[in-house]
Amino acid sequence: KQEVTQIPAALSVPEGENLVLNCSFTDSAIYNLQWFRQDPGKGLTSLLLIQSSQREQTSGRLNASLDKSSGRSTLYIAASQPGDSATYLCAVSGNTPLVFGKGTRLSVIA
Amino acid sequence: NAGVMQNPRHLVRRRGQEARLRCSPMKGHSHVYWYRQLPEEGLKFMVYLQKENIIDESGMPKERFSAEFPKEGPSILRIQQVVRGDSAAYFCASSTGSEQYFGPGTRLTVT
Repeated sequence: KQEVTQIPAALSVPEGENLVLNCSFTDSAIYNLQWFRQDPGKGLTSLLLIQSSQREQTSGRLNASLDKSSGRSTLYIAASQPGDSATYLCAVSGNTPLVFGKGTRLSVIA
Repeated sequence: NAGVMQNPRHLVRRRGQEARLRCSPMKGHSHVYWYRQLPEEGLKFMVYLQKENIIDESGMPKERFSAEFPKEGPSILRIQQVVRGDSAAYFCASSTGSEQYFGPGTRLTVT
């Protein structure tokens, strides 16, 4: 059974810092991995999708990497801004639809 | 192209009543997924549907919950005889088969 773990559960950083969020999964037989952002009381916004054959994806200040063999992904956020404050969710897709981690709650302090 | 739409956004039901949650997928998307997010928990998969077919319902509670995606109209998640433990955010997602796009969710409160 696939399990997804995200560390840390919460993170507070000053504005301008670069930061890394971690995601690990137990079953490496995945089709893809998605990173989402969720603002309080809101839905999910897809940030990046990495296919199982890919190593990384980039969008603006965000870079996500995937190491399928070790069951790990990282989301790198460059030059963080207060508007980046949200919960970041990692999810993997395999033989079943998306399995989510519990998320990392990020606060970027101005 | 409008995104995934869910209604209502907020729903309050008394114990024992029925809750109906609606999801309209993005245009051109024939795959619909329902997820539930309990307070302080991660999102959990409930059911995966394509038009008129349930593909995977392994995450659905065995009783009181049902889902459909008719040939015409939105997908419906129905919860009969709601209990307090059903209070949660219910999210719908749609896809063409790969990347999933999520709606804003329906927040169900059972009093």
